[in-house]
Amino acid sequence: GQQVMQIPQYQHVQEGEDFTTYCNSSTTLSNIQWYKQRPGGHPVFLIQLVKSGEVKKQKRLTFQFGEAKKNSSLHITATQTTDVGTYFCAAPWETSYDKVIFGPGTSLSVIP
Amino acid sequence: DTEVTQTPKHLVMGMTNKKSLKCEQHMGHRAMYWYKQKAKKPPELMFVYSYEKLSINESVPSRFSPECPNSSLLNLHLHALQPEDSALYLCASSLRGAGDIQYFGAGTRLSVL
Repeated sequence: GQQVMQIPQYQHVQEGEDFTTYCNSSTTLSNIQWYKQRPGGHPVFLIQLVKSGEVKKQKRLTFQFGEAKKNSSLHITATQTTDVGTYFCAAPWETSYDKVIFGPGTSLSVIP
Repeated sequence: DTEVTQTPKHLVMGMTNKKSLKCEQHMGHRAMYWYKQKAKKPPELMFVYSYEKLSINESVPSRFSPECPNSSLLNLHLHALQPEDSALYLCASSLRGAGDIQYFGAGTRLSVL
């Protein structure tokens, strides 16, 4: 069945260092979404990628969608303490437009 | 307005109680979702309503009963819950389906004693 995996599970970085999380799917995706959940908070939408090879930037965040549309990455340049949280990738279930599958998430800690 | 409102924010209930969680959105979204989230885990889909009809039930125990009174409201009725049901319950909505951006409410943190 369809699976979405993320690595690493946890990442601890010094403030100012870069951070990358990777999302991999067992199947080709129609699109992929990224969400951020702060500690004690709820998931908040960051970006949606649709096209093969797509790259989108939001200030210090860079999102990529693989050429085969089976993987994606989120890169944060020069992390800040405000980047702390868990980053989830999410993709529509291959057999149902009504369902989305979330990756297990990458928890980012930033040491000031 | 991109807000999904959930009430209550916190709920403590005994195993014999009956309670309801409420969710409301006024974005004109036609898909609404209930998720359950345990600590350090991703949201786990429970139910999906599409155009006010239940379209997905992820084999959720019958002690959880969803209801969609209209396109803006979603309820989750709780009865005879177990301590392992303690979790953060998230409501979300999207324009048409899960392939669209999902907007999450702040959640209800439920403790079952």
